[in-house]
Parts: sequence; structure tokens; C-alpha cells
Amino acid sequence: EPEVTQTPSHQVTQMGQEVILRCVPISNHLYFYWYRQILGQKVEFLVSFYNNEISEKSEIFDDQFSVERPDGSNFTLKIRSTKLEDSAMYFCASSERSGEWGNTGELFFGEGSRLTVL
Amino acid sequence: EDQVTQSPEALRLQEGESSSLNCSYTVSGLRGLFWYRQDPGKGPEFLFTLYSAGEEKEKERLKATLTKKESFLHITAPKPEDSATYLCAVQVGVMRFGAGTRLTVKP
Repeated sequence: EPEVTQTPSHQVTQMGQEVILRCVPISNHLYFYWYRQILGQKVEFLVSFYNNEISEKSEIFDDQFSVERPDGSNFTLKIRSTKLEDSAMYFCASSERSGEWGNTGELFFGEGSRLTVL
Repeated sequence: EDQVTQSPEALRLQEGESSSLNCSYTVSGLRGLFWYRQDPGKGPEFLFTLYSAGEEKEKERLKATLTKKESFLHITAPKPEDSATYLCAVQVGVMRFGAGTRLTVKP
């Protein structure tokens, strides 16, 4: 069964350091997403990405965050200068369709990357 | 502002004790309501999509229903392996999640 894979599963970093989280979406999907979940809180939308550009982003996704699809398979989330409050589980997801024009259908989520900022 | 509220926050059941989880929403332009299951330390796993009021979907011991203002996830004769957090999400362009109901089923 196709799945979304994420690396690393856990990363510990010092405040102010740059972090890159990697995702391999399902191969025939065209729409990609990053969500985050702070421990004990709800899953929050960060950004959606299609055709090599951001299609929508939340207020959380400020200038410290960026996304990229550097090749045909990977989708990355970069945090330029991490803060303590960036500590969370980050989930990558992909879908076949965009929600802008209708329903995305099912979003397939990866297992997540746990980021701990010290 | 779009809102998704799930209740109760936590629910403890005995094995075989049926119950329902609630998801109420106030959104404009709903394009779909989703139920996901999330196990500790894992990503959300898709269960159901509901598109219109009156629609119902079933899978094993779970049945999801939708009205114009809320959705219910009914769990019939639950087993300990049904223990998880159940997330409701609404599609309004992007998918937005509720806080979830943490279900514990004791043997």
C-alpha cells in the first residue's frame, strides 16, 4: 500500500539552528501539505503546495518557514532559526486533488517528525 | 471564523459498551467532513468522508453520520483495539481539525 514517508522521525536541535524535515509523498499525488501538532493540542495546518508553489498558508507559516520540492520525489519543510515554541510533531500529507476546487478526498499522512528545540 | 468542536474531550468505555462521539462545526462553504483515527505518536489515519447532510458511512464497528451542523461517530460494541484519539476535520479549502476525542476501551 502506498504511503507517505518522513525523515527524521525525531530531531533534537538548539534554539536558533536551522532544521530541514523531509517527506516523500505518494508518487502519483500532486498536492502536498505540512501540518504540525504541539503535544496535547490539535493538528494545525501550516501550508499547502502544488505545482512548485505555495497555494495556501496559515498565520503560523511565517518568514522562518519555507517549503521546497527539490526533486521529483522529496518535499521539505525548513525552519530557518528554530524557537522553543517550534517544538512539535510535524506531519507531511499528500492528496490527489486540491481543496480549492472541490474536495481533496482523503489526505494521506506520514508518521511524523518530532522536533525538540532546546 | 470557522470552528470545529469535538466532544467529549475524553471517553472511557467498557468493552462492548456502545457510544457516540460528536463533532459540531460552524463553517461556510463546507466541502467535506472527515473522520480520522490517531494512535499515540502516529499520523492521522483516514476513516470516513461525508459530503452532505443525511449521509452515513460504516466501517466495522464505526458509523459516521452528518447533519447540517454536526457529525457523529457511533462506536458499536467497542474493543480495546479501538482505543485511540478520533479526529474530526472539515474541508474549507484546506482541511482543519478539531481537538479530538480520546477514547479508551477497557477489557
